[in-house]
Amino acid sequence: SQQGEEDPQALSIQEGENATMNCSYKTSINNLQWYRQNSGRGLVHLILIRSNEREKHSGRLRVTLDTSKKSSSLLITASRAADTASYFCATGPRRGSNYKLTFGKGTLLTVNP
Amino acid sequence: SQTIHQWPATLVQPVGSPLSLECTVEGTSNPNLYWYRQAAGRGLQLLFYSVGIGQISSEVPQNLSASRPQDRQFILSSKKLLLSDSGFYLCANADTAEKLFFGSGTQLSVL
Repeated sequence: SQQGEEDPQALSIQEGENATMNCSYKTSINNLQWYRQNSGRGLVHLILIRSNEREKHSGRLRVTLDTSKKSSSLLITASRAADTASYFCATGPRRGSNYKLTFGKGTLLTVNP
Repeated sequence: SQTIHQWPATLVQPVGSPLSLECTVEGTSNPNLYWYRQAAGRGLQLLFYSVGIGQISSEVPQNLSASRPQDRQFILSSKKLLLSDSGFYLCANADTAEKLFFGSGTQLSVL
């Protein structure tokens, strides 16, 4: 079953604007990750936030995590046309030898030049 | 740095034909390897994972099987493809920092 669910399913903005995507999950997690997928390509890891962290930054990316609400958000500031892609959240269970991530259905972001 | 090779990039197969997709990993040893499938406009569904040679765990019952004949080789197979096997297949490796590295994927169309 899907653990993470992204919202919205699709988002269209103008270059230079900020893009915010949300992710909700159901069970306890060890970490939450965000991935990016360009059309027809594999996923690329963007950022990982652990369950004991509330906010994390990486370049133009800002991720927040609220474990009480079981939700996370990904903010992309000053968006560029090259940011056009699908963005997925993935939840990681407790660390173990059989480490598995559960992915949501993704948010399709379109940045118009 | 590690690299994941997947081939072919695109494959069109008739219903009832066999399938073999190969994934190899470079730059790491004893990796945890995964096969995911992505239907059009959908998220990723974990199909199989492997923690070592000959060790395969299946996540969902299906028409597919997986094998790991070598440490850095992971193969996805089917004896007879179904229409519902169509999708985008991704191989991935988990590094020690818990994040996944993905191959470039194989787009499989079963007609």
